[in-house]
Amino acid sequence: NAGVTQTPKFQVLKTGQSMTLQCAQDMNHEYMSWYRQDPGMGLRLIHYSVGAGITDQGEVPNGYNVSRSTTEDFPLRLLSAAPSQTSVYFCASSPPGGGSGYTFGSGTRLTVV
Amino acid sequence: GQQVMQIPQYQHVQEGEDFTTYCNSSTTLSNIQWYKQRPGGHPVFLIQLVKSGEVKKQKRLTFQFGEAKKNSSLHITATQTTDVGTYFCAGYSGNTGKLIFGQGTTLQVKP
Repeated sequence: NAGVTQTPKFQVLKTGQSMTLQCAQDMNHEYMSWYRQDPGMGLRLIHYSVGAGITDQGEVPNGYNVSRSTTEDFPLRLLSAAPSQTSVYFCASSPPGGGSGYTFGSGTRLTVV
Repeated sequence: GQQVMQIPQYQHVQEGEDFTTYCNSSTTLSNIQWYKQRPGGHPVFLIQLVKSGEVKKQKRLTFQFGEAKKNSSLHITATQTTDVGTYFCAGYSGNTGKLIFGQGTTLQVKP
């Protein structure tokens, strides 16, 4: 099993550009989430989903969109990149109830110039 | 909204010393999870606590969940250099699928 796969691993964007960070899991997990990690800020929840067709906002949703058309995929869209969105982005998935914890992808390091 | 605070932010210890990180939530949690992130890596799930007053052990690591289900702690006995990393607590409030992380405690261990 591959677990949670994130692509790309690194990306440089110019201010105002848009892009999609891809996330796919092969564990049939219903829960999926996107986090961003900045120094001293921990992991902040951007958007999350409890199943296909269901998404909700987290702590810092502005500037990001998500959709969940299948159980496996949970892409994160940056609508118009800003330097404040420079960060490391992690996608994670979990079975319902979270008893076995979230499995994280290896992350995407995004720089907006 | 729900907030999870974690202290200290950083801790430097000599190898063999003990280490504790504390986690406090602004709301009552249905459960709390702990993760470890090695430098340059991604968070890895360690454990989940569900019951009020619950204590769980994993070798040298002891996890506690407070009686009010609003706080938790992780204690490492006799730290080793392999314990280096950032430890995060994360809490679920209700059955929403929304997992909120604390800021993390970064542990450095001097050999």
